[in-house]
Amino acid sequence: AQKVTQVQTEISVVEKEDVTLDCVYETRDTTYYLFWYKQPPSGELVFLIRRNSFDEQNEISGRYSWNFQKSTSSFNFTITASQVVDSAVYFCALSQAGSARQLTFGSGTQLTVLP
Amino acid sequence: EPEVTQTPSHQVTQMGQEVILRCVPISNHLYFYWYRQILGQKVEFLVSFYNNEISEKSEIFDDQFSVERPDGSNFTLKIRSTKLEDSAMYFCASRHEGASYGYTFGSGTRLTVV
Repeated sequence: AQKVTQVQTEISVVEKEDVTLDCVYETRDTTYYLFWYKQPPSGELVFLIRRNSFDEQNEISGRYSWNFQKSTSSFNFTITASQVVDSAVYFCALSQAGSARQLTFGSGTQLTVLP
Repeated sequence: EPEVTQTPSHQVTQMGQEVILRCVPISNHLYFYWYRQILGQKVEFLVSFYNNEISEKSEIFDDQFSVERPDGSNFTLKIRSTKLEDSAMYFCASRHEGASYGYTFGSGTRLTVV
């Protein structure tokens, strides 16, 4: 069985602060995929990143960066110089490498960036 | 950029009524999904659909639920006799075949059962 844990339910930061959202996962598969999605107040799910289990290189995209550590089963997400528009719920998710490959989501972290 | 389209964006229905949620996946995608998000909770998998049949379903997807791809473009979720606890946001997603392809989610249908 797969499981994704996001222990931080809510985080508040002041604009321009850096913030890291934690994600820990459990799976018995050797090949799997990890995702982060953003859900703004409007409700849609916005794809941020997908990593496969064989690629442990950290990734940076603008103010966003992701740290994948297989040894600790973690896939953490950092926003540098946060902005008010970053306020949203962020979900980490995991999928198997099989054909159907449904996503297992964490419970999400509500990030509030204060001006 | 191709989109997954869901209609309606919001539906209110009376308890016990049947409701059909509609989705138009991206045209060259082969895998289709429905997910549910009860307000303030996490997104939960309901069902996946491939080659005109269900490939996986969760415990939530009981006999009250059914899915169909009636015409090669639409992908529908039917709830036969709605209950109050069916109130949630329902997301449709689709995915191309192939390991390197990710999911595209629709913007969701908010179902309110009264």
